[in-house]
This record gives sequence, structure tokens and C-alpha cells, in this order.
Amino acid sequence: NAGVTQTPKFQVLKTGQSMTLQCAQDMNHEYMSWYRQDPGMGLRLIHYSVGAGITDQGEVPNGYNVSRSTTEDFPLRLLSAAPSQTSVYFCASSYGEPGWGNIQYFGAGTRLSVL
Amino acid sequence: AQSVTQLGSHVSVSEGALVLLRCNYSSSVPPYLFWYVQYPNQGLQLLLKYTSAATLVKGINGFEAEFKKSETSFHLTKPSAHMSDAAEYFCAVSDPGGTSYGKLTFGQGTILTVHP
Repeated sequence: NAGVTQTPKFQVLKTGQSMTLQCAQDMNHEYMSWYRQDPGMGLRLIHYSVGAGITDQGEVPNGYNVSRSTTEDFPLRLLSAAPSQTSVYFCASSYGEPGWGNIQYFGAGTRLSVL
Repeated sequence: AQSVTQLGSHVSVSEGALVLLRCNYSSSVPPYLFWYVQYPNQGLQLLLKYTSAATLVKGINGFEAEFKKSETSFHLTKPSAHMSDAAEYFCAVSDPGGTSYGKLTFGQGTILTVHP
């Protein structure tokens, strides 16, 4: 059982480049989310989805796009990378909203550096 | 808006000593509270959660936390630290009745170091 799979694990970009961080889950979870983790700031919610075709913004959505065409996949797109987007990105999934007590499963993360 | 504060970005204990990681929240109503653990180069894993049932919550790996409404706290404890407990710990809060229901707000994290 793979759980939540994120690719790539590491990425280096130049300012202005675009890229897509991939996230897939095999648990048939409806709820998926993207967080970024920065030192001393904990995790901050970027975007989330409550099901296929439904997405919404989190706390720090600027510079990122998402889509949810299937239950399994929830890619995160960086439109024009900036040094401020250097971070560790985590994808997570759960049966329902994590704030209601649903257990949230995290991927291993993608470490992104923007030069 | 919800907020959560973890007191101490780094905590160091000896193996076998008590572990105490502090978490305080701000909320006008009793929230749901969570502790997550992150081992090096891994994603987060849920340790335990409080969702308005018993105020003393037991989690995995011998950890427990007590919800104290009067102190707006949800401190994480473990009676005897093990080397394998070395990790970063995050407290998180949600407001089930608020406009951001279902979403979590995370604290800044506390790195736990365990010395032999």
C-alpha cells in the first residue's frame, strides 16, 4: 500500500521557470491538500480539494495553481518560480476534512530550491 | 482567527527523562487539537487528537496530552524519553464551528533532541 506519493523528491529551479509537483494517493480519499513547510513557521496550507473537480485556496495560495481531475491525483503547479517559493512541500490526504478529526496522511515531501 | 503557539523551538532531554512539549491555542470556543510528529526526511504522522471527548488523550509511542480549557493548553508528554523519539513535533488546531472549519492551523514546531 503506497499511501501518498510525491514526485520529485528534490528539485532546483531558476527564477521564472515553471514546474509541477505531483501527488498521488491510493486510499480513495476525497480530501487532499498541499502545504509548504518553512523553518520556524510550521506548515501553511496552500490549496486543498474536497473531491474531484473541487478546489479552493488555503492560507498562502499566491503563485500556485491546482486542479483535481481524478480522486487519486492532485498536482501543484508553480507558474513562475520565485526565490520566496524555496521550501519543502507536502501533500496530504484524508477521508474528510482533517480539522474534524479525520486522520491525515502525508507524503514524504518535495524539497524545492529556487535560485 | 485561530492560532497556536508552541513554547520552545528546541527541547533537549536525556534518555529516560520526562518529555514535555508545550502548546497553547487561541480560540473563543473549544477547538479540536492535534499533535503530529515528523521524523527526519519524512512527512508528518498523527500522534494523537482531541475532539471534545476525554480531556486526557493517549496517542502512539507512549505519548499523551491533556486538554485544559482554563489554560488554553494542550501540552504533550511522555514519561520516559527514548532515542527514537528524536523528531520535530507540531501542534495543530481547528475550529469546528468557525468559517475555516475542517482546516488545520499548525504551530511553529518543536525539535526534540534526546541525549544518551
